[in-house]
Amino acid sequence: QSVLTQPPSVSGAPGQRVTISCTGSSSNIGAGYDVHWYQQFPGTAPKLLIYGNSNRPSGVPDRFSGSKSGTSVSLAIIGLQAEDEADYYCQSYDNSLTAYVFGTGTRVTVL
Amino acid sequence: EMKVLESGGGLVQPGGSLTLSCVASGFTFSDYAMSWVRQAPGNGLEWVSILHNDAATSYYADSVKGRYTISRDNSKNTLYLQMKSLRAEDTAVYYCAKFWGSEHYNYHMDVWGKGTTVTVSS
Repeated sequence: QSVLTQPPSVSGAPGQRVTISCTGSSSNIGAGYDVHWYQQFPGTAPKLLIYGNSNRPSGVPDRFSGSKSGTSVSLAIIGLQAEDEADYYCQSYDNSLTAYVFGTGTRVTVL
Repeated sequence: EMKVLESGGGLVQPGGSLTLSCVASGFTFSDYAMSWVRQAPGNGLEWVSILHNDAATSYYADSVKGRYTISRDNSKNTLYLQMKSLRAEDTAVYYCAKFWGSEHYNYHMDVWGKGTTVTVSS
C-alpha cells in the first residue's frame, strides 16, 4: 500500500497546463523530506523527472516543474505535449516505516 | 554513460527461491547506495530494499522483510537480491536503481535498469 496519494488520472489538451498532486503525512512529506518525480511509459523503466522537489536532471524539458510548500507537493506540466502521455510517480522517505515510498501513480492523458 | 542491467528473473514455484543480479557500469559503483524496486502487473512502483555503499547497511520493505536479502560485490560492480519463500504476490518486474542524494532521507533514484521479470506460479 502506497503512503503517498496521487490522483489516478489527469488529462488535458495539447498546450494546456496540468498538475499532479502528491499527498503524504507528517512522517514523510510533512517531515520535510524531499519529493522526487518519475515518468514511466508503458512497458519501460521509470525515468527520473524531478529531484529535490523542484530540480530537473539534464535533458528534462523545462515544461516540467515541481514544487513543494509545506505538506503540499505537485508536478506541473506547462504546455502539455502528446509525448507527455505516461504514468507519473512521486517518491519520498518515511521515517515511521524507515522506507522509501512511492505515490499511487497518475496517468496523464493528452486529449 | 551510467547504466545498470538486471538479470536472473524467471518462473519459480510458490515457496521457491531466486537470485537477481544487477551489473553497473559508467560510475564508481562502490560510492553509491543501490536499490531494488518492483512493479506488479498493472500496479504502481514499490520500493523493495536498499543497500548502502558500505555493503553493511540495508533496509527492506515490510512485505519482503525476512524473505529477501540484498547484497553487493563492489569488486564486480554487482548488486544482488536473494529471494526466498516466494509468493504469488511477489510476481513483478524487478528494477535495479542507483540511489543519489546528499542525505539518505533525501535519496532519489537517478539510474534505472530495464528490469527483470519474476513470475511466481505453480
